[in-house]
Amino acid sequence: DIVMTQTPLSSPVTLGQPASISCRSSQSLVYSDGNTYLSWLQQRPGQPPRLLIYKISNRFSGVPDRFSGSGAGTDFTLKISRVEAEDVGVYYCMQATQFPFTFGQGTKLEIK
Amino acid sequence: QVQLVQSEAEVKKPGASVKVSCKPSGYTFSGYSVYWVRQAPGQGLECMGRVNLNSGATNYAQRFQGRVTMTRDTSISTAYLELSGLRSDDTAVYFCAISVVAGGALDMWGQGTMVTVSS
Repeated sequence: DIVMTQTPLSSPVTLGQPASISCRSSQSLVYSDGNTYLSWLQQRPGQPPRLLIYKISNRFSGVPDRFSGSGAGTDFTLKISRVEAEDVGVYYCMQATQFPFTFGQGTKLEIK
Repeated sequence: QVQLVQSEAEVKKPGASVKVSCKPSGYTFSGYSVYWVRQAPGQGLECMGRVNLNSGATNYAQRFQGRVTMTRDTSISTAYLELSGLRSDDTAVYFCAISVVAGGALDMWGQGTMVTVSS
């Protein structure tokens, strides 16, 4: 299975300040069709995960533009340009290039 | 509003089996695969496998092979997850999810079904 490693595991951030989460995969996530199936999900307490970003950098419907994704190959980043109170939760990267899909350990975003 | 609706919470004894259902509400999904993902209390997300709603073809994560069965009933567009030989460490929230518009990403999730294994 592909191992996904996120850093940091916890991120205290001041409201209005940026936040960044890194995700590294144990092997390249480039699929045979040329796409890279790396996505980012947000999970608020007591809720199911919610898709934010897919194929590295595509924001899903309804996701605020303060969220952005970047990266290539094995190294990826989720950035929040200005953190808002509603952004509190746990963020996961997920790869869907190889079955079974695998997730990072999660990064807990909290407000300082 | 289109959503995935899962069955209610279950409490089971060790060694028993549990069957969780997942049904799209407000839309009939065909040609999609339903993925099952579980989350132990305070832990991360783990993909267990998938079932294709059309063909019934399944793929299971190796660690669940032999204990998990994923099926679907096309007449009611419902997917099922059955896990046997339950242990205390199977206590978790079980989610179903599908990829509707976002290629290679799970963009619609059920609300989750809590399964508690306790003697």
